Amino acid sequence: AQRVTQPEKLLSVFKGAPVELKCNYSYSGSPELFWYVQYSRQRLQLLLRHISRESIKGFTADLNKGETSFHLKKPFAQEEDSAMYYCALVYSSASKIIFGSGTRLSIRP
Amino acid sequence: NAGVTQTPKFRVLKTGQSMTLLCAQDMNHEYMYWYRQDPGMGLRLIHYSVGEGTTAKGEVPDGYNVSRLKKQNFLLGLESAAPSQTSVYFCASSYGLAGGWFFGPGTRLTVL
Repeated sequence: AQRVTQPEKLLSVFKGAPVELKCNYSYSGSPELFWYVQYSRQRLQLLLRHISRESIKGFTADLNKGETSFHLKKPFAQEEDSAMYYCALVYSSASKIIFGSGTRLSIRP
Repeated sequence: NAGVTQTPKFRVLKTGQSMTLLCAQDMNHEYMYWYRQDPGMGLRLIHYSVGEGTTAKGEVPDGYNVSRLKKQNFLLGLESAAPSQTSVYFCASSYGLAGGWFFGPGTRLTVL
């Protein structure tokens, strides 16, 4: 079955500390993965996608097919990074996207 | 471009009442989706559409119906609202599966 798991409901780190938000997936095909971010009371926004291998707002994510993971990382957290982060998997054979349950990132000053 | 818009932004219903949520997009996207967002459960897909005139069930379709009569609009209906349908509803659209999803601002629905 297709599944996206974000094991941490809440992650709290100090400003300037490294951040890693975990995402594991289960999918029999070739995965296409995304990270979305939702700032307080705002709509979800695309943060990055694995196919473009880009860095947005200092965040990067590498697809590890061996570990079926797509963890989101940032070397130095900033207060404005506080938000809800969702990992998402495209389930292409059914034309839909599956979201993880989300991780709330809180950056302490 | 307005992107993805949702109407209304807030609504309070009594149990048993009906209502329709409207999602509109001006990006000529083929794919449109309705999600509900609940604390600790993330986003769950209710229904989706891969083109005008088509609809399909998602993970949690019970109690909801949808219609996609025009490409730019995707309507979500609640025929007889229940307290379990209290949630924030997000609409999203996409031009293709690898392109990412564009989300609306959400509709906060409370069913008393």
